[in-house]
Amino acid sequence: TQLLEQSPQFLSIQEGENLTVYCNSSSVFSSLQWYRQEPGEGPVLLVTVVTGGEVKKLKRLTFQFGDARKDSSLHITAAQPGDTGLYLCAMRGGSNYKLTFGKGTLLTVNP
Amino acid sequence: EAGVTQFPSHSVIEKGQTVTLRCDPISGHDNLYWYRRVMGKEIKFLLHFVKESKQDESGMPNNRFLAERTGGTYSTLKVQPAELEDSGVYFCASNPSGGNTIYFGEGSWLTVV
Repeated sequence: TQLLEQSPQFLSIQEGENLTVYCNSSSVFSSLQWYRQEPGEGPVLLVTVVTGGEVKKLKRLTFQFGDARKDSSLHITAAQPGDTGLYLCAMRGGSNYKLTFGKGTLLTVNP
Repeated sequence: EAGVTQFPSHSVIEKGQTVTLRCDPISGHDNLYWYRRVMGKEIKFLLHFVKESKQDESGMPNNRFLAERTGGTYSTLKVQPAELEDSGVYFCASNPSGGNTIYFGEGSWLTVV
């Protein structure tokens, strides 16, 4: 049983467009992390959200944590080809990094 | 500073053979993790070392998998004998005690034919 559902699974857009990807669970998250993985590399941590309703910004990326802490979204403004990659959400298991990942959203930004 | 390094980057072996994957964490990181992603599935936790001790090995799929971290530095993950379903990418990650960020290696691609 997959605990984290990510949507869409694939997304192909043109440079300059905006997009939103989602991460949902039937369970409450203690905290949620977003990662980006580029081909041939491991996941790289982008952000951690902890508080319900929290919004964090990282340049053109906006991360939102749902009020009930059961969902999260990642919005990219004016996407660029360098944003291409696999975006993963993950839930931490307590104080360590026993992470539960979603399957990810594979984003392609075409020039 | 060097990141998490993994070796080999790619390995193709026959069913029934043995493969040993190695991970060198970032120097000074007490916590070391193994994850894997098999085709079509999400990345899944395998186990967690704190220094040389296994803190949590609840994700190890079966007794064909053996992980060690002698001396609390680098770690090895041995698969013996390998089966077709073991094919996938094996990631190692590390972080310091109390650290808020985890660092992943580039992964070791394993193909069992």
